[in-house]
Amino acid sequence: NAGVMQNPRHLVRRRGQEARLRCSPMKGHSHVYWYRQLPEEGLKFMVYLQKENIIDESGMPKERFSAEFPKEGPSILRIQQVVRGDSAAYFCASSVLRGQTEAFFGQGTRLTVV
Amino acid sequence: DQQVKQNSPSLSVQEGRISILNCDYTNSMFDYFLWYKKYPAEGPTFLISISSIKDKNEDGRFTVFLNKSAKHLSLHIVPSQPGDSAVYFCAASAYNDMRFGAGTRLTVKP
Repeated sequence: NAGVMQNPRHLVRRRGQEARLRCSPMKGHSHVYWYRQLPEEGLKFMVYLQKENIIDESGMPKERFSAEFPKEGPSILRIQQVVRGDSAAYFCASSVLRGQTEAFFGQGTRLTVV
Repeated sequence: DQQVKQNSPSLSVQEGRISILNCDYTNSMFDYFLWYKKYPAEGPTFLISISSIKDKNEDGRFTVFLNKSAKHLSLHIVPSQPGDSAVYFCAASAYNDMRFGAGTRLTVKP
């Protein structure tokens, strides 16, 4: 049973381009969380999704950021028109249940905007 | 808003001694609490958890204590080992939410 898979591990984008980050949860997990870690900071919650539904996106910037978790395929975090301040490590985690259980993290995608 | 706080950004202890990492939370709806360990360039890995119906959970060298009235939890590592050096995040979970603290960097000196 493979763990949470994130790709790419490293992504370099020029300012104004789009960044697409993928997360394949563990087999059987239907809950996905995305977190962002800025340099020298902790993990900041962005969005919580279940299959085909966004449950909580209160941590997502209102503009340029979007997330989806389709019925088939990985969860995607999409950042349009990237700016230097988007440079960070983005982690996704998955869990089998809602609450009262641990979430398992992927290795993260390090986004660098040049 | 920071619902989960780790007020000590760093902690340094001698090998063999006890490490105590602290975490406070504000949302009384949280009912499940977790500690994660993170090495550089890796994702956080789950360490230990505790449900709100308990006040202590132990797993080998790691023990988590929960004080619900104070909305406080702590992670004790005894004895500390150099391999324990990492950033430790506490997390609190409600039905549809999981929030993390900012992390505490633990350094265990040989």
